[in-house]
Amino acid sequence: DAGITQSPRHKVTETGTPVTLRCHQTENHRYMYWYRQDPGHGLRLIHYSYGVKDTDKGEVSDGYSVSRSKTEDFLLTLESATSSQTSVYFCAISESGTTNTEAFFGQGTRLTVV
Amino acid sequence: GIQVEQSPPDLILQEGANSTLRCNFSDSVNNLQWFHQNPWGQLINLFYIPSGTKQNGRLSATTVATERYSLLYISSSQTTDSGVYFCAVEYGNKLVFGAGTILRVKS
Repeated sequence: DAGITQSPRHKVTETGTPVTLRCHQTENHRYMYWYRQDPGHGLRLIHYSYGVKDTDKGEVSDGYSVSRSKTEDFLLTLESATSSQTSVYFCAISESGTTNTEAFFGQGTRLTVV
Repeated sequence: GIQVEQSPPDLILQEGANSTLRCNFSDSVNNLQWFHQNPWGQLINLFYIPSGTKQNGRLSATTVATERYSLLYISSSQTTDSGVYFCAVEYGNKLVFGAGTILRVKS
């Protein structure tokens, strides 16, 4: 199994509070991704990183920011959580963003904003 | 952007039956993966298949990149096959998912 650890695995937070989710990998892969999963939508890309300090937006990036100061860690921050951000968040890694690379996913983080 | 459509959205099978899941995509892609999300939410890699056919036990997949579709075949289904099946295509540097097929296998 690919070495991907997400923390925390579950979190309940109040509306308006900041929340940071962490993704840690031991594979030294260049690309890291944050997705959210909601019923009827599959997985949607929030942000991704193609190297240390190199990040870009996905299709649902509003209300989220990311940081990657080390190859192994990719942080997702909700600056002021809203109920619409209640979701399951998945981190993924891949060796590169080009052909002949396979993506692997972490176990997910279930976030509830009340 | 690219559109990824999966069909059928829901499927109920009797144990032992065979099934075919389809993934259509609207533009040329770099690669395609199939995943199974089990009832505990874990995403399991099934196939990395940008083109051609691959088989792994009771599961096989075929991608026809020139016609922009992929098929996932499940033979002799088991209750442990239940869950959600996703296809995802690599478009640019991003992995874009379909909405999934929910499979329920009854004993």
